[in-house]
Amino acid sequence: AQTVTQSQPEMSVQEAETVTLSCTYDTSESNYYLFWYKQPPSRQMILVIRQEAYKQQNATENRFSVNFQKAAKSFSLKISDSQLGDTAMYFCAFMKHNNAGNMLTFGGGTRLMVKP
Amino acid sequence: NAGVTQTPKFQVLKTGQSMTLQCAQDMNHEYMSWYRQDPGMGLRLIHYSVGAGITDQGEVPNGYNVSRSTTEDFPLRLLSAAPSQTSVYFCASSTRFHGYTFGSGTRLTVV
Repeated sequence: AQTVTQSQPEMSVQEAETVTLSCTYDTSESNYYLFWYKQPPSRQMILVIRQEAYKQQNATENRFSVNFQKAAKSFSLKISDSQLGDTAMYFCAFMKHNNAGNMLTFGGGTRLMVKP
Repeated sequence: NAGVTQTPKFQVLKTGQSMTLQCAQDMNHEYMSWYRQDPGMGLRLIHYSVGAGITDQGEVPNGYNVSRSTTEDFPLRLLSAAPSQTSVYFCASSTRFHGYTFGSGTRLTVV
């Protein structure tokens, strides 16, 4: 079974600064996908960024980028130029395929507060 | 294009009652899943499916049944509600290689 660990329960950052959220995972799979999801107070789950394990290049989406270290099983999220709207819970997630579908395993989350 | 639609948004059940949480998607996604989120925690997988007629159990399947008769719909049945099933339930759908799109959730309270 896969496990996903987010070691920072809470973090804060000043508006316009950069913050990095950590995530480690444990798996014996070689093909998988990693995601960061954002959950604002509305509780809607929003996909932030996606990384395929077979790609060495780190994914980027505007102000969001990842540092994917496959050998270390590490997948951190960097948010640049933080905005007040980035305040939310952030969940790291691991996904693998099997015959019945896609299995998504989540970490426990990091609560991020962006301060003005 | 409504995405993933969950109904109801809120529900209160008495212990022992049964009910079905509805989930529908209009994106022609083959993969669908149900998750529960307890306070201060991440989401945990209940059941998932790769298409009509194919389902499997996730991490926390006890007390829940699913079936998938169409690509669009993936209802979750609570057989005999217990207070431990008080949670927020999310349905989600995806294609094979992309992340899941989530519904807005159902907040269920069992008293």
